[in-house]
Amino acid sequence: EILLTQSPATLSVSPGERATLSCRASQSVASSLAWYQQKPGQAPRLLIYVTSTRATGIPARFSGSGSGTEFTLTISSLQSEDSAVYFCQQYKNWPSVTFGQGTRLEIK
Amino acid sequence: QLVQSGAEVKKPGESLQISCKGSGYIFSDYWIGWVRQMPGKGLEWMGIVYPGDSDTIYSPPFKGQVTISADKSTSTAYLKWSSLKASDTAMFYCMRQGADSDDGFDVWGQGTMVIVSS
Repeated sequence: EILLTQSPATLSVSPGERATLSCRASQSVASSLAWYQQKPGQAPRLLIYVTSTRATGIPARFSGSGSGTEFTLTISSLQSEDSAVYFCQQYKNWPSVTFGQGTRLEIK
Repeated sequence: QLVQSGAEVKKPGESLQISCKGSGYIFSDYWIGWVRQMPGKGLEWMGIVYPGDSDTIYSPPFKGQVTISADKSTSTAYLKWSSLKASDTAMFYCMRQGADSDDGFDVWGQGTMVIVSS
């Protein structure tokens, strides 16, 4: 099973600043990585797939990068509504997929 | 969209089936997956079903513990337990796999909370 480790566990950033979230895979997943946002009391929402492609309706301030085992979700110009938990997901061996444990993003 | 059945409170040993009804697209053409989210925890992939032919694949920890199925005639997917345990208490989400395996889970249900307590 491919394990995903996200860091940091919690991140606190001021509005207008940039947040950088990391996801490390236990083995190469090539570009088969997605990111999801989950706000309190809501279902997760797809943000990014195939490492860097934004899903429909996702603002351009969300961007993804990386390949192999190291991936990054960057949120530029943070807004209050970006406060959420962010999960990465790999699907290298689809349909078997795994999720990271999540990074909680707090807006100061 | 995907609309899930309502919250459930059950006793250990009872059976339960929760549902996930799709609309606005050709239900039989897209895989439907299920994840578990225990209180305050992350997402655990349980398995996935293709409503077109009922092909089903389970995550190893959940194989034998739950049954995933789908009925394309009613555009509904199901997650079933034959004998619940207290450790099954969690939120369960269904989600649609995008048209391609690279597309991520692009549509999610609102979640079904299951509480198992004596």
